Amino acid sequence: GAVVSQHPSRVICKSGTSVKIECRSLDFQATTMFWYRQFPKQSLMLMATSNEGSKATYEQGVEKDKFLINHASLTLSTLTVTSAHPEDSSFYICSAARGVGETQYFGPGTRLLVL
Amino acid sequence: LAKTTQPISMDSYEGQEVNITCSHNNIATNDYITWYQQFPSQGPRFIIQGYKTKVTNEVASLFIPADRKSSTLSLPRVSLSDTAVYYCLVGGGPSNNDMRFGAGTRLTVKP
Repeated sequence: GAVVSQHPSRVICKSGTSVKIECRSLDFQATTMFWYRQFPKQSLMLMATSNEGSKATYEQGVEKDKFLINHASLTLSTLTVTSAHPEDSSFYICSAARGVGETQYFGPGTRLLVL
Repeated sequence: LAKTTQPISMDSYEGQEVNITCSHNNIATNDYITWYQQFPSQGPRFIIQGYKTKVTNEVASLFIPADRKSSTLSLPRVSLSDTAVYYCLVGGGPSNNDMRFGAGTRLTVKP
């Protein structure tokens, strides 16, 4: 199998606080992990790509100082939304791939609500 | 980066075969074609992947013509639980992480 988990599944926080979302590949080692954001009734938008042990590559328009990504091991990547604001409220989804260019397997997503 | 075009929505009835076609005119030589299914408030689920001709697994078939400028996902005998958004992605392949989600096709299966 290729199972990817995310934690937490949903989080509510106050404006100005930071939130960390974890993404784990449970039964395989993931050289590459991806973070997406999805607003209601829209498609997934790629935020960044990270390879284990190196800095993440961010998509144009995504602030790297606001969305901190760490891919410290072959099974774990984290996304930290720093100083979250209501406009950051969204559905955040990660995916993991065994290697560069290989099939992505997605986590269940994390619903973030910033009040 | 290959752009994909799919119908925005499709309706079907239980028990019918559903074919969803995706256009990707500028697909690159090394690009693969991958289809995902997404239910509301869930992450996308991998359905099938192919490079050329036909691929079949336990849930779907993928037909890719020789020019690879389009592909068709075929879902046999759909049920109500197949109501979802279906995404066609083009990319991947050796040393290439570049894939983007298009708008997807919202399939509604009616009783």
